[in-house]
Amino acid sequence: DVKVTQSSRYLVKRTGEKVFLECVQDMDHENMFWYRQDPGLGLRLIYFSYDVKMKEKGDIPEGYSVSREKKERFSLILESASTNQTSMYLCAIGRLAGFTDTQYFGPGTRLTVL
Amino acid sequence: ELKVEQNPLFLSMQEGKNYTIYCNYSTTSDRLYWYRQDPGKSLESLFVLLSNGAVKQEGRLMASLDTKARLSTLHITAAVHDLSATYFCAVDISYSGGSNYKLTFGKGTLLTVNP
Repeated sequence: DVKVTQSSRYLVKRTGEKVFLECVQDMDHENMFWYRQDPGLGLRLIYFSYDVKMKEKGDIPEGYSVSREKKERFSLILESASTNQTSMYLCAIGRLAGFTDTQYFGPGTRLTVL
Repeated sequence: ELKVEQNPLFLSMQEGKNYTIYCNYSTTSDRLYWYRQDPGKSLESLFVLLSNGAVKQEGRLMASLDTKARLSTLHITAAVHDLSATYFCAVDISYSGGSNYKLTFGKGTLLTVNP
């Protein structure tokens, strides 16, 4: 079974705090993704990584950064959390283009910024 | 910019009825994915459609892809309460052999099946 784990299911932080969300996979997939999900907006891609130390901006990267030091781990960083970053954050993994696998999602982290 | 539109966004139906969810997209693609999300849970893969005319079926759900019309459908047959969930379609246009791919998602269809 594919296993994608996220460090927290629920997180409450204060405005201005630095927040780390971590995603770990056990499938040796090259691609890892961070999405946020908001009611009425669906899933929006924040950042993705196709290799260690490689990253690309998604559709809404502002206010976020990422880190991928090891193939199995992909971290999302909120340098200074703001209330408009309150959301559900989903990590996903996938293989390289040319394969036909779907993306596999982690359980999600519901972040509240007060 | 790729746009993916689902309709309807909200669907309330009775058990035993049939209905179809539509997914339209704006750019040529022959890779489309359907996911299911239960309340408070993550996304679960339902179908992977990889070519024009592809049809996949699992239980009461059947998905199809028409790449010329840029349209995928998710058909529900004889709905049961357990099918209540949010359904997302997602399109991949970055399949040119590069080292990465990413999906663009529709906003989702919230399906409620009533007894």
